[in-house]
Amino acid sequence: DIQMTQSPSTLSASVGDRVTITCRASQSIGNWLAWYQQKPGKAPKLLIYKASSLESGVPSRFSGSGSGTQFTLTISSLQPDDFATYYCQQYDTYPWTFGQGTRVEIK
Amino acid sequence: QVQLQESGPRLVKPSGTLSLTCAVSGGSMSSSNWWSWVRQSPGKGLEWIGEINHSERTNYNPSLKSRVTISVDKSKNQFYLKLSTVTAADTAVYYCARVSGGIDYWGQGTLVTVSS
Repeated sequence: DIQMTQSPSTLSASVGDRVTITCRASQSIGNWLAWYQQKPGKAPKLLIYKASSLESGVPSRFSGSGSGTQFTLTISSLQPDDFATYYCQQYDTYPWTFGQGTRVEIK
Repeated sequence: QVQLQESGPRLVKPSGTLSLTCAVSGGSMSSSNWWSWVRQSPGKGLEWIGEINHSERTNYNPSLKSRVTISVDKSKNQFYLKLSTVTAADTAVYYCARVSGGIDYWGQGTLVTVSS
């Protein structure tokens, strides 16, 4: 299986901060990567697909970049609604696999 | 707007079979999308279980393949998950979802507990 490793595991930040989360794949996945936001008790929400394509309805402060094995999710100016856990997921090779998550908490 | 809703028993006995139904509304299961099951153990991360498409082609996670069956009834716009020989390790929130360049629609999730 392709291992997806996110860093950091937890991130403390303030409203207005620029936040970057990294996801590394154990082998090349091209640009077949998605990012999700999950809040407690809720299903994940798709933010980014194909590494850098913004899902419809997602605020433009979210952006994704990368290809191959190294990817980043950036929130340009953190808003109160953005405190949540973020997951990356590869869909290049079965079985699809997720990162372990990055919790963004209030500093 | 596509909506998905999981249903099924919330408590399953060890060694029994977990069975869930996902009802899809607002979209046709005869489209070119794949339809997935994903689970999340309490306090843990996400695990992809498997998927099915409109031609009833399936893909399963090898870690669960010997115990999983995913099926579809397009006439009812529903798809199904069966997981056999369950243990406490299968206790999780189970989500059904639509795959379209990432997983773009998710059900609300249903917590299934394996316990005697």
